[in-house]
Amino acid sequence: EAQVTQNPRYLITVTGKKLTVTCSQNMNHEYMSWYRQDPGLGLRQIYYSMNVEVTDKGDVPEGYKVSRKEKRNFPLILESPSPNQTSLYFCASRSLSANTEAFFGQGTRLTVV
Amino acid sequence: AQTVTQSQPEMSVQEAETVTLSCTYDTSESDYYLFWYKQPPSRQMILVIRQEAYKQQNATENRFSVNFQKAAKSFSLKISDSQLGDAAMYFCAYRSPANAGGTSYGKLTFGQGTILTVHP
Repeated sequence: EAQVTQNPRYLITVTGKKLTVTCSQNMNHEYMSWYRQDPGLGLRQIYYSMNVEVTDKGDVPEGYKVSRKEKRNFPLILESPSPNQTSLYFCASRSLSANTEAFFGQGTRLTVV
Repeated sequence: AQTVTQSQPEMSVQEAETVTLSCTYDTSESDYYLFWYKQPPSRQMILVIRQEAYKQQNATENRFSVNFQKAAKSFSLKISDSQLGDAAMYFCAYRSPANAGGTSYGKLTFGQGTILTVHP
């Protein structure tokens, strides 16, 4: 089954404690991205990757890092989380060659206290 | 940069009735894609309908249809014969075409969302 898998689904952490949210896709998609969803703001892009070792900032990259060492994985790293990073996070992937739309992960609800 | 605006934070409809959700956008591009996504309480992002800007014909998917007004930069979603399962958050989204290049390529720009309540 084609899917994007995020882990964990829920996470509560404390300010300053480094964390990683994993994202994996099994569709051999070139393009992967991270979004955060906040009330009244919709989803906003954090980072994206066009292919292995190619990443770039989206609209709200401050406080986040990503890496793309393998095509299937695109982890989101919060080196020193702060309460303003409490949000719902989505990973998405898409083929750049096929005329298909993005597949979304199930979402990760992150709370930073 | 493109922007997408959903001016209705909440909407409600009676079961079996019709409801229209509004969306406007701003862009200088002539070719692009527009989408409506549904997000039920499970948080899953579900693609409801897609419209290519170069197509004049409005997209339809069963009970869901759009009213695409390119000159007015308006893209509303009409849900006919509303069902209890239609209750969700709905997002309007914009994407640049495949040959856009630069940082806009592949990125979805979302509106603020509209919460739809369906009353039995």
